[in-house]
Amino acid sequence: KQEVTQIPAALSVPEGENLVLNCSFTDSAIYNLQWFRQDPGKGLTSLLLIQSSQREQTSGRLNASLDKSSGRSTLYIAASQPGDSATYLCAVTGANNLFFGTGTRLTVIP
Amino acid sequence: DAGITQSPRYKITETGRQVTLMCHQTWSHSYMFWYRQDLGHGLRLIYYSAAADITDKGEVPDGYVVSRSKTENFPLTLESATRSQTSVYFCASIGTSGNTGELFFGEGSRLTVL
Repeated sequence: KQEVTQIPAALSVPEGENLVLNCSFTDSAIYNLQWFRQDPGKGLTSLLLIQSSQREQTSGRLNASLDKSSGRSTLYIAASQPGDSATYLCAVTGANNLFFGTGTRLTVIP
Repeated sequence: DAGITQSPRYKITETGRQVTLMCHQTWSHSYMFWYRQDLGHGLRLIYYSAAADITDKGEVPDGYVVSRSKTENFPLTLESATRSQTSVYFCASIGTSGNTGELFFGEGSRLTVL
């Protein structure tokens, strides 16, 4: 069974700092990897989707990378803002399921 | 408005009662999913559906029933609710004809079983 791990579970940074969130998975036979943001009491919002054939995707201040062979993905957030405070989850798609990590709770301090 | 809508958003019920959580999407996406989210467990797949009249079990299907008579609707029924089913339930769909596209979520249904 696919295991998805996100470290750290929580992270606090001062506003303006660049930061990296990590996601690792045990089975490299994936179709894609997706990063989500979840605000308290809300659903998940898709941030970036990386297909298995791709190495990275960028959207604004966000950049996600994928290294299938090592079972790792990173989400890079540039110039963090208080509005970036949320829980960030990664999910990998296999043959018949999506497997989620338990998330990293990010707090950006003004 | 287009998207995925879940109802009810909040529900309190008693042990042994039947509860149905509704999920409606306006995009005609083929794949739809039901997840539950619990502290310490993250998101776990309950059931998924590849198309109308096609459903399959996920990781934690016991105690749940689904149906998909129409592409846009994917209701989840707890036939006899238990306290362990207290959770936040999320419906999702994939934005392509296959299962490799972007996943879109509803706002969630918070269920409390007393």
